[in-house]
Amino acid sequence: DVKVTQSSRYLVKRTGEKVFLECVQDMDHENMFWYRQDPGLGLRLIYFSYDVKMKEKGDIPEGYSVSREKKERFSLILESASTNQTSMYLCASSPPDRAYTGELFFGEGSRLTVL
Amino acid sequence: GQQLNQSPQSMFIQEGEDVSMNCTSSSIFNTWLWYKQDPGEGPVLLIALYKAGELTSNGRLTAQFGITRKDSFLNISASIPSDVGIYFCAGQTISSNAGGTSYGKLTFGQGTILTVHP
Repeated sequence: DVKVTQSSRYLVKRTGEKVFLECVQDMDHENMFWYRQDPGLGLRLIYFSYDVKMKEKGDIPEGYSVSREKKERFSLILESASTNQTSMYLCASSPPDRAYTGELFFGEGSRLTVL
Repeated sequence: GQQLNQSPQSMFIQEGEDVSMNCTSSSIFNTWLWYKQDPGEGPVLLIALYKAGELTSNGRLTAQFGITRKDSFLNISASIPSDVGIYFCAGQTISSNAGGTSYGKLTFGQGTILTVHP
């Protein structure tokens, strides 16, 4: 089974703190994604990566950055957390042959609260 | 960007009832997908549709890719308590990055929260 693991299920941070959300997948997938989930808004794409050291902006990249130094790991960084970044963050991955099928494999999510 | 309108936002039904939810868009998509998110978990793919007009079933689930490529519906027959969760539609378009690599991009609907009473 594909396993996408997000390092923290729950985080509480203060405004202005730097926040790292880590995601690791164990299936050698090339494609990795970070989504944000908010009630009434569904899932919105923040950033994605199709290769090591490669990144592309999604629909809502403002206030976020990403890092992909190794194939299995994709990190989401909030340089200076703000209260409007309180949300559920979902990491996903897929192999290249699924790039056209739309099938993503999601982690369990990281619920971030910024005070 | 592209937007999907998913309805209803929530449903409260009795076990055994049928469920119907749908998604509409002002944009055309190459692929329509339906995901389900169980409480405390990430979404999981239920059904994928690749051709306009396609009708696909997976057990008690039936989904259709609208002929205009701008809409899709999902039906669940004879609901059971484990159907509880959030259902998301998603539309996919194929794009290319600056390096010329093609990739699929998903746009998700707002979600339908399903509650099933035993």
